[in-house]
Amino acid sequence: AQSVTQLDSQVPVFEEAPVELRCNYSSSVSVYLFWYVQYPNQGLQLLLKYLSGSTLVESINGFEAEFNKSQTSFHLRKPSVHISDTAEYFCAVTFARQLTFGSGTQLTVLP
Amino acid sequence: EAGVTQFPSHSVIEKGQTVTLRCDPISGHDNLYWYRRVMGKEIKFLLHFVKESKQDESGMPNNRFLAERTGGTYSTLKVQPAELEDSGVYFCASSQGGQGLWNTEAFFGQGTRLTVV
Repeated sequence: AQSVTQLDSQVPVFEEAPVELRCNYSSSVSVYLFWYVQYPNQGLQLLLKYLSGSTLVESINGFEAEFNKSQTSFHLRKPSVHISDTAEYFCAVTFARQLTFGSGTQLTVLP
Repeated sequence: EAGVTQFPSHSVIEKGQTVTLRCDPISGHDNLYWYRRVMGKEIKFLLHFVKESKQDESGMPNNRFLAERTGGTYSTLKVQPAELEDSGVYFCASSQGGQGLWNTEAFFGQGTRLTVV
């Protein structure tokens, strides 16, 4: 069985500060890894994904995540956050056509 | 192009009543998924359609939940009779292709917030 753990349910951070949202997974087989974001009153949107190749993946709005197989982690980082990054972020893994989500991390960017 | 749309956005019903949620996937997407998030916990898989067939319904909590996908287009999820623990946000997602979520993006709807009182 596979599972996803997001260690922090709430992350408050000041604008322009760096942020890291942590994600660890457990799986006995290779998986694909995703980060989804849900802005207020909107649906889930894919932020970035790791399928294969380079272990560092980037999104168009400055987020990046690094797949670390030895630590079974896929932490999400951004060097400088904006107010508009306030949202809930979900880490997810997929195997056998199912997407398994973590419990989510609410990122709140403070002015 | 329209995204995944879900109706209604909110629903408040009394325990014992019936509620039907609807999902319209992106046109041409064979894969349709239902997920549920209860009480701010993780988003959990309910079931997966490939066209009109149920590919995997291992996440359906009990027989009070019935999902259909007529003609391989829109899908409905009926809860009958609803219980208090059914409250949560129900998400629908769709994706292209026959491989499910292996390497294709799943597009999610805004969700339906169901409150059972």
